[in-house]
Amino acid sequence: GENVEQHPSTLSVQEGDSAVIKCTYSDSASNYFPWYKQELGKRPQLIIDIRSNVGEKKDQRIAVTLNKTAKHFSLHITETQPEDSAVYFCAASKVFGNEKLTFGTGTRLTIIP
Amino acid sequence: ETGVTQTPRHLVMGMTNKKSLKCEQHLGHNAMYWYKQSAKKPLELMFVYSLEERVENNSVPSRFSPECPNSSHLFLHLHTLQPEDSALYLCASSQGGSGNTIYFGEGSWLTVV
Repeated sequence: GENVEQHPSTLSVQEGDSAVIKCTYSDSASNYFPWYKQELGKRPQLIIDIRSNVGEKKDQRIAVTLNKTAKHFSLHITETQPEDSAVYFCAASKVFGNEKLTFGTGTRLTIIP
Repeated sequence: ETGVTQTPRHLVMGMTNKKSLKCEQHLGHNAMYWYKQSAKKPLELMFVYSLEERVENNSVPSRFSPECPNSSHLFLHLHTLQPEDSALYLCASSQGGSGNTIYFGEGSWLTVV
């Protein structure tokens, strides 16, 4: 089955700086990679996703990059703000079939004012 | 946002008790999930129901028993749990299976004493 590793487990950045979270996956057939954000005491919510037919996707201050050859994908947050403080989870799965999402272990991001 | 609602939000139960967690989705989705979230562990998929039929059971102990009476409701029946079962239990739903956004509920915090 799929195995997703996520690094770092904790990350602190100064407000206004950029944050990068990296994930690797094991199954080369995986082709769907979402990122979820979970604020303290709240539910995980999808913030961005990417499919393997593209290498990069951007939505305002967040972007995700995918390297299928190396089997890794990354979340980039620019101009970080205090409300970006949360736990971020990456995940991977195949688009078709009954494969379910395999999640990484999460990264606790703290934005220092 | 009330797409996926869970009750109760908090539950404390003894090891000999029987209790149930309830989940309801108002999104018209046809797949529902139970996840377990423990400290420092990835989101663990427990059960998947698609069109009211259980399609996945990830080696979950029999003291957890799911029930899906229709596509909008999902239960998790709990019986003779152990202290290590204390965790946040997240219900989720999606339209279709893999490759589609999963929407989580707020979770039920379970403490087994």
